Formats: sequence, C-alpha cells, structure tokens
Amino acid sequence: EPEVTQTPSHQVTQMGQEVILRCVPISNHLYFYWYRQILGQKVEFLVSFYNNEISEKSEIFDDQFSVERPDGSNFTLKIRSTKLEDSAMYFCASSDSRGLLAGTQYFGPGTRLLVL
Amino acid sequence: DQQVKQNSPSLSVQEGRISILNCDYTNSMFDYFLWYKKYPAEGPTFLISISSIKDKNEDGRFTVFLNKSAKHLSLHIVPSQPGDSAVYFCAASGVNDFGNEKLTFGTGTRLTIIP
Repeated sequence: EPEVTQTPSHQVTQMGQEVILRCVPISNHLYFYWYRQILGQKVEFLVSFYNNEISEKSEIFDDQFSVERPDGSNFTLKIRSTKLEDSAMYFCASSDSRGLLAGTQYFGPGTRLLVL
Repeated sequence: DQQVKQNSPSLSVQEGRISILNCDYTNSMFDYFLWYKKYPAEGPTFLISISSIKDKNEDGRFTVFLNKSAKHLSLHIVPSQPGDSAVYFCAASGVNDFGNEKLTFGTGTRLTIIP
C-alpha cells in the first residue's frame, strides 16, 4: 500500500541553525501539507501546497518557514533559523481530489525536531 | 481556537465491548470529517471518514455517525480489541478553491482496551 515517507526520523539542531525536513508524498497525489505537534498539544496545520505554490498557510508559518517541491517526488519544509519553540513532531501529508476518498489526507511517520 | 473538540481525554473499555468516541465542532463550513488513530512517535493513521451529505459511514468494525444539526460526530468500534488501544483524533475540513482544505484536529482521546 502506498505511503508517505519522511526523513530524517529525528533531528537535533542548535538554535539559529537551518533545518530541512524531507517528505515523499504518495505518488499520484496532488495536494501536500505540513503539520506539527508540539508535545502534549494538538496536531496543527502549517501549510498546504498545490500546483507548485502555497495554497494556504497558518499564522505559525512565518518568514522563517518555506516549502519546496524540488523534483517530482520530494516535498521539503525548511526552517531558516530555528527557535527553541520550533521543537515538535513535524508531519507531512498528501491527498488526492479524486475517488471515494478524495480529500483524505495520509500522513507520514513524522520527524521529531529538537532545537537546543 | 477550539473549532473541533474532543471532551474526553481518555476512555477505557473492556475487550469485546463497544467503544464510543465523541467529537463536537463549531464551524458550520466544515463538510468532511475524519477519524485518525495515532500511536506514540508515529504519524496519524486514517481510519474512516464521512461527508456532510451522509449521517453514517461503516467500515468493518468502525462506524462514524454525523449529526449535523448538533454539530456532533462519533466513532463506534465494535467489538473493541486490544490493538485498538491508541489516541484517536477527530479532524474536520472544508473545501476551498484549490480543492482540498487544511484539517483542523481535536485534542484526541486516549482509548485503552482492557483485556
């Protein structure tokens, strides 16, 4: 069964450093998302991406964040200058607009980011 | 911003009995609802969904009920099995011009199935 994959599974970085989180969405999906979950809190939306552009972003997704689909398979989230409060589990998701499960978002296993 | 609420942080159910997880929402623009199951240190796993044009959707042991007038949905698991022990998230979305909108999640309910 197709699945969303994410690398790395864990990332430890120093405050102020740049990190890139990588995702490979399900191959025939057209919509891509990043979410995060701070420990003990709910899963919260960061950004959605469609047709090579951002379709929606949350207040969390400020100028320090960017997303890119550099090739036909990868979808990346970059944090330019990490802060302590960026420590969280980051989930990538993808969805299709067709079929019975149109709109269902499938999630990757997550990247645990720890900023020291 | 509590557009999706799961008021029970935890629930314990005897194996073989029915588990009922509840979710309330406030945004009347939501028209698609999903339940996800999550184990620690893993991503949410899709379980079942329902469109606002329906009031019930069933898939094996899982049934989701939607009461639009009450802005309430529930997930029924019957019979409950030990492997069902996990955190269950309710999520909701609308549809925007691009087709698929963001998901808004509830805070989750930790379900424990007692053997």
